[in-house]
Amino acid sequence: ETGVTQSPTHLIKTRGQQVTLRCSSQSGHNTVSWYQQALGQGPQFIFQYYREEENGRGNFPPRFSGLQFPNYSSELNVNALELDDSALYLCASSQGNQPQHFGDGTRLSIL
Amino acid sequence: AQTVTQSQPEMSVQEAETVTLSCTYDTSENNYYLFWYKQPPSRQMILVIRQEAYKQQNATENRFSVNFQKAAKSFSLKISDSQLGDTAMYFCALRSWGGGSNYKLTFGKGTLLTVNP
Repeated sequence: ETGVTQSPTHLIKTRGQQVTLRCSSQSGHNTVSWYQQALGQGPQFIFQYYREEENGRGNFPPRFSGLQFPNYSSELNVNALELDDSALYLCASSQGNQPQHFGDGTRLSIL
Repeated sequence: AQTVTQSQPEMSVQEAETVTLSCTYDTSENNYYLFWYKQPPSRQMILVIRQEAYKQQNATENRFSVNFQKAAKSFSLKISDSQLGDTAMYFCALRSWGGGSNYKLTFGKGTLLTVNP
C-alpha cells in the first residue's frame, strides 16, 4: 500500500511569487485535505477536496487555491506569496469516516 | 466553532516510566472523533490513537491509552513504558462526525515530549 507522498520536500520563494505543491493520495483514498503548520504551532485546515470538488475551506484567503485530479492526487497553489506563508504544508488523504493519513509535508520558505 | 487546547507545551519522562499528556476541547456536537497524532522530527504526522465520542470505553493501542471524559470535554493520552522513540511533538485533534467539510481536523498547539535515557 503506497502512502501519501508530497513534492517537493523543500522550496524557497520570494515575496510576490507563486507556488504549486503536489500531493499523491494513499491508494483507495478519494478525499484530500491540506493544512498549514507554522513553526511551533498545530496544523491549520486550508481546504479539502472530494471527487475533484472543494468540499470545505478554512480561514484562508482566495490566493490559496487547489485542484484534485481524477486519480485523486491534488495540488495546492498559492499566489502573491507573503512572508507569513512560510510554513510546513501538510497533505492528508482519507476515505469515508476513516482517519486521515498524512504525508511528510513540504517546507516552504519565503524570502 | 471547535477548539482544542493543550496546556502543556513541553514534558519530559524517563525511559520505561509513564507519562500523561492533557487535552481539553470544545464542540457543540454530541458525536465526534478525537485523535492523538505524533509528529517526530521527520515531520510526518502519525496517528497514535482514535476515540469515537459515542463509545464510553477508553481506546487503547499497545502502550498508548486514553482517558476520555465526555462531560468534562477532556481527552488525555497515557504512554506506558516510555521509549526513546516516543520523543516527538504530540497533537490532540477533533473532527466532527458528519461528512462534507466536517471532515476537517482541528488541532491543538501540541506538547513536545522528550524521553530521557
